[in-house]
Amino acid sequence: GQQVMQIPQYQHVQEGEDFTTYCNSSTTLSNIQWYKQRPGGHPVFLIQLVKSGEVKKQKRLTFQFGEAKKNSSLHITATQTTDVGTYFCAGHYRGSTLGRLYFGRGTQLTVWP
Amino acid sequence: GAVVSQHPSRVICKSGTSVKIECRSLDFQATTMFWYRQFPKKSLMLMATSNEGSKATYEQGVEKDKFLINHASLTLSTLTVTSAHPEDSSFYICSARDPLHEQFFGPGTRLTVL
Repeated sequence: GQQVMQIPQYQHVQEGEDFTTYCNSSTTLSNIQWYKQRPGGHPVFLIQLVKSGEVKKQKRLTFQFGEAKKNSSLHITATQTTDVGTYFCAGHYRGSTLGRLYFGRGTQLTVWP
Repeated sequence: GAVVSQHPSRVICKSGTSVKIECRSLDFQATTMFWYRQFPKKSLMLMATSNEGSKATYEQGVEKDKFLINHASLTLSTLTVTSAHPEDSSFYICSARDPLHEQFFGPGTRLTVL
């Protein structure tokens, strides 16, 4: 069925280290979105990837969409304490209810100063 | 970006009472809104899709008689938790999809049922 798997569930890094979270779907996605949720807050949209093999950058964040449109990753270079939070990927499938997103379980990032 | 508001942000109620949560898109019209439930340190669980002018579409396992959804206008959807019980305590988040297909989340409502 339509399901988005995300790993790892938790990641603890020292400030300055890199961080990557991965999402995978067994079926082809029409697009994938990434969200960040700070502790006690709500998910905030970061980016949407639509094209096969697409790579987008936002400062220290690099987002990739696989060639087969079944996997995606978020990479943060040189983490900072402000990067703390849970990062969710959310996929949209062709034929699904318009706008219906399938969320990964999230990766909770902790950054030690 | 677009703004979605939710009211109330926090509510504490007695077991057996009903609680209404409002979700509003403030600067765009949303024909579709979504209601999620999130348990501590867990992912968002889609409860239902709220469609303006028609019945909501509920996910499997979500009781539609318990979680009443009304999407009366293009900017307002409401979720009513009827006869709330302690196990209904959770963080409820709505989202709305804008015409550019981005989805914006409300700030959430933390419900505590005593």
